[in-house]
Amino acid sequence: EIVMTQSPATLSASPGERATLSCRASQSVSSKLAWYQQKPGQAPRLLFYGASTRVTGFPARFSGSGSGTEFTLTISSLQSEDFAVYYCQQYNNWPPTFGGGTKVEIK
Amino acid sequence: EVQLVESGGGLVQPGGSLRLSCAVSGFIFSNYPMQWVRQAPGKGLEYVSAISSDGDRTYYADSVKGRFTISRDSSKNTLYLQMGSLRPEDMAVYYCAKVYATGIYYLDYWGQGTLVTVSS
Repeated sequence: EIVMTQSPATLSASPGERATLSCRASQSVSSKLAWYQQKPGQAPRLLFYGASTRVTGFPARFSGSGSGTEFTLTISSLQSEDFAVYYCQQYNNWPPTFGGGTKVEIK
Repeated sequence: EVQLVESGGGLVQPGGSLRLSCAVSGFIFSNYPMQWVRQAPGKGLEYVSAISSDGDRTYYADSVKGRFTISRDSSKNTLYLQMGSLRPEDMAVYYCAKVYATGIYYLDYWGQGTLVTVSS
């Protein structure tokens, strides 16, 4: 089973700041990496697939990059609605596995 | 509009059973694999089980294998998770989710979740 490790566990930032979230796979997952956003009391919501393809409805300040074992989710200028928990998930190997999440909180 | 609505959660004693349902609409249910994912209180996401579009292939996390059974009824557009021999560590919000496509197992739509509490 591929282990997904996200860092940091918590990121404290102010509105307008840039946020960089990392996700590392224990072995290569090619570009088969998804990101999800989860707000308190809500279900997760697909944000990216294929490592860098942003889902319709999310603004361009969100970007995804990486391949192999190293991936990054960047929020260029944090808005109030972006404070949430973000999870990465690999779907290259069975079973699909999630990272532990990064909580983006207001500083 | 794609909708997934879970039901069937509740309080159950250790060792007990529960059946979760997920009623879907807005897409051709029989064309897509489906998954159950759970989230323990304050914790991250954990894959639980998956089923192929035709229901012929089922998959389980090691933590639930032999205790949980996933199934689907295309005539009712409903996904099920039969849970047995429940343990305190099974307590979680259970989400059903639509898989993007066969072999491409990211989850493009999720239900709102149903809470399963395992306690005496």
